Amino acid sequence: QKEVEQNSGPLSVPEGAIASLNCTYSDRGSQSFFWYRQYSGKSPELIMSIYSNGDKEDGRFTAQLNKASQYVSLLIRDSQPSDSATYLCAVKEGLTGGGNKLTFGTGTQLKVEL
Amino acid sequence: GAVVSQHPSWVICKSGTSVKIECRSLDFQATTMFWYRQFPKQSLMLMATSNEGSKATYEQGVEKDKFLINHASLTLSTLTVTSAHPEDSSFYICSARNPLAGGLNEQFFGPGTRLTVL
Repeated sequence: QKEVEQNSGPLSVPEGAIASLNCTYSDRGSQSFFWYRQYSGKSPELIMSIYSNGDKEDGRFTAQLNKASQYVSLLIRDSQPSDSATYLCAVKEGLTGGGNKLTFGTGTQLKVEL
Repeated sequence: GAVVSQHPSWVICKSGTSVKIECRSLDFQATTMFWYRQFPKQSLMLMATSNEGSKATYEQGVEKDKFLINHASLTLSTLTVTSAHPEDSSFYICSARNPLAGGLNEQFFGPGTRLTVL
């Protein structure tokens, strides 16, 4: 059974700090990885996607992937109170296959404090 | 673009009735849509994969006769919860891929439908 593990938190960081969110996955065949942000009562919103080992940066967000360690992380620089949400890690078996489905972690709740 | 809408955004119904939820891709054609369910403080659980013009593929443990999925066009998939009971109360979310978007074929989510069964 494919599993995606996240620390449920809450992870509390002060405003302006770097928030580091981590995710591990069990299926070595996984090839693409996604981070979604979900505000309470809302549906998930795609933040980042990554499929190559290393770092991928987009504005204040950096996704890091290490396939050997089966580990993917999300760094949020200059954290803002509006970043307070639950962050879901999702893993997909293939790269561009239309039928591949996502397996989600349980999410990490982030709280950015003033 | 990749805008996905859902209707209704919330619904309250009596036990034993059926409820239909619509999922539409507004600015692209989606050959595949996905239906998820999310209980409070839990993650998204995939219920089924909806394929245009063919039968949906249900995940293990999901009753296909209770959760009817129809994907009659490239922009619309519907989920019907038949004979709803209080334990079916949940947040139902659909997602779709834009097959022409390239990249990793990311899924884009609709805003969700909150179902409350009394």
